[in-house]
Amino acid sequence: QSALTQPRSVSGSPGQSVTISCTGTNSDVGGYNYVSWYQQHPGKAPKLMIYDVNKRPSGVPDRFSGSKSGNTASLTISGLQADDEADYYCCSYAGTYTVVIFGGGTKLTVL
Amino acid sequence: QVQLVESGGGVVQPGGSLRLSCAGSGFTFSGHSMHWVRQAPGKGLEWLTFIRYDGSDKNYADSVKGRFTISRDNSKNTLYLQLNSLRVDDTAVYYCAADTAMVRFDYWGQGTLVTVSS
Repeated sequence: QSALTQPRSVSGSPGQSVTISCTGTNSDVGGYNYVSWYQQHPGKAPKLMIYDVNKRPSGVPDRFSGSKSGNTASLTISGLQADDEADYYCCSYAGTYTVVIFGGGTKLTVL
Repeated sequence: QVQLVESGGGVVQPGGSLRLSCAGSGFTFSGHSMHWVRQAPGKGLEWLTFIRYDGSDKNYADSVKGRFTISRDNSKNTLYLQLNSLRVDDTAVYYCAADTAMVRFDYWGQGTLVTVSS
């Protein structure tokens, strides 16, 4: 199964908001409310930012929010900060055969 | 605190084998399903396989099915990944991750690098 589709890059200035999209099919993103988002800084392990489409683990700022419409999930980061500059990956449950599928990743640049 | 520590990576020739380990501590290892995810140099994350908390269910991505085998020893709080018939495109950092719910990977290891090269 192909990776979920994310834009290769997005950018924004400090204080602004950006949204990263994640498009799948009705067999993954559209079929389940099990979408998560991960932040990865260079040379580091991924960090969970959003799970179950729109829930934040403890310790993740409320500047990070998630949503879903049909086969597309979105991660919105408001009040951009320099440390938000990283790669972001969406992830979806894809049923009992494929199980888990990641997006191709989006590089966020804070200008 | 929660720790997942991978080991066993290294350089191997095409067609060779390796066994990766992932030692967990600071949480109830036996209560979590575990996954392996890899990242080729400069590329994105690729999910490879998971094993249910009690070892009763496993699943694999098509790219590794029949070549890689996941297992766990809850008495040792350790997850394993046996890599056989390695190919050059298996070169990647291999991460283990613990889930607390469906695709909710709360805990990650630091990764171990596998390089397949002649």
